[in-house]
Parts: sequence; structure tokens; C-alpha cells
Amino acid sequence: DTEVTQTPKHLVMGMTNKKSLKCEQHMGHRAMYWYKQKAKKPPELMFVYSYEKLSINESVPSRFSPECPNSSLLNLHLHALQPEDSALYLCASSQPTGGGYGYTFGSGTRLTVV
Amino acid sequence: GENVEQHPSTLSVQEGDSAVIKCTYSDSASNYFPWYKQELGKGPQLIIDIRSNVGEKKDQRIAVTLNKTAKHFSLHITETQPEDSAVYFCAASRSTGGFKTIFGAGTRLFVKA
Repeated sequence: DTEVTQTPKHLVMGMTNKKSLKCEQHMGHRAMYWYKQKAKKPPELMFVYSYEKLSINESVPSRFSPECPNSSLLNLHLHALQPEDSALYLCASSQPTGGGYGYTFGSGTRLTVV
Repeated sequence: GENVEQHPSTLSVQEGDSAVIKCTYSDSASNYFPWYKQELGKGPQLIIDIRSNVGEKKDQRIAVTLNKTAKHFSLHITETQPEDSAVYFCAASRSTGGFKTIFGAGTRLFVKA
């Protein structure tokens, strides 16, 4: 299995809602990432988990809360989002050293905040 | 801070022609350079990569070259096909530098049939 699976594919949520994005991989990768991508821009790093521990938090607002329940799963909990948070949210995984290996990305969750 | 510049931002070629995308990186400690292809509605897909101990790498119709002295690397696509139309991102990272990968701004490639 060489895929990263993200659910849901599309999500529309109000500013007072709480929702979660889910990501799953079965490649044995021990580094997992959340990226945010705006239209016509490159992905922006949000969080990195290495061996299920949070390794990097790129000063992301607390309304985004990551969670890594086990080596295959990565969640992103969303609460009180703003319209400017609307974007494509990408999950990725890689070998645990991170910088020396390519990433396998999921297809993303297209999030719209209304 | 570290950055990766990518040119051109848009490239339009006729089917069968070659396409070249160029990137320049600023961090001299970077030693791993992947290229990603992103089709509409999908996540980026790794298509080829090169490490700093290699000057060139080829995989069928795509090739990547690296000039460490000039801190330049390029993607070459030969015999382009309409399915090559996508956004291409170059990136740079350090194999021992943690988890940060610096992406270029992207090149939108159009291949006209």
C-alpha cells in the first residue's frame, strides 16, 4: 500500500463548528505532516509528527489542533475557524528522517469556512 | 531565511516539445531536491528527486540536473504529452536538518495538443 488516504474530501463548516480531518497511511512511515495549500500557492507546513510525537508546530493558531493516535493515523481538529482558513489541507508522510526523503501526499481535504 | 526560487511561473508548450523548469536555492547545506507534480484536485506527487552527490538523474521522459556550485537545479521533460499538464513544484531540504522542506512557488505547465 503506497497511499495516504484523507477524509473527508470536501468539508463546509460554519465558524462555530467543530470538525476533524483524518489521514491514514500504511507504508510504515514514521513522519507525518499537515500542510495547508491556498490556490496557486505551494504547500505551507503546519505540523510535523515524528514517531507519534509533535516535532514541529509552525506557529499555527490554536484553532487547529493536531493529534497522532498511532503510527498510521493523523488527525487535525478544527474549531472556531475563520473564512481565511478556507484552503486545501494536505496530509503527507515520509521516512522518519524527513529532510532526506520525498513525501507521499494524500489528495487533500478541500475546506470551506462560511 | 532559506528560500527556493522557481521559474517560469507559467510555461506553455506544444505537444512533443521539451519543457524546462529551473530552480535556485539559497541554503548551501541543502542536499536533497525532490520535484512534485500536482494535478487539478489532487495532492502533489513525487516524480523524481536528486541528491547532492549526483549531477543528473533520468527517468524515462523526465530528467533532473543539479549544479551545486551555482545552487541551481532543473527539471527537463522531453516529448511532452497533454497529460503532463499540471503544476510542478521544486523543493530543497537537508537530509540531517529535520523535517523542513522548502518549496518553490510552482510552475503551471500547459501542453497543447
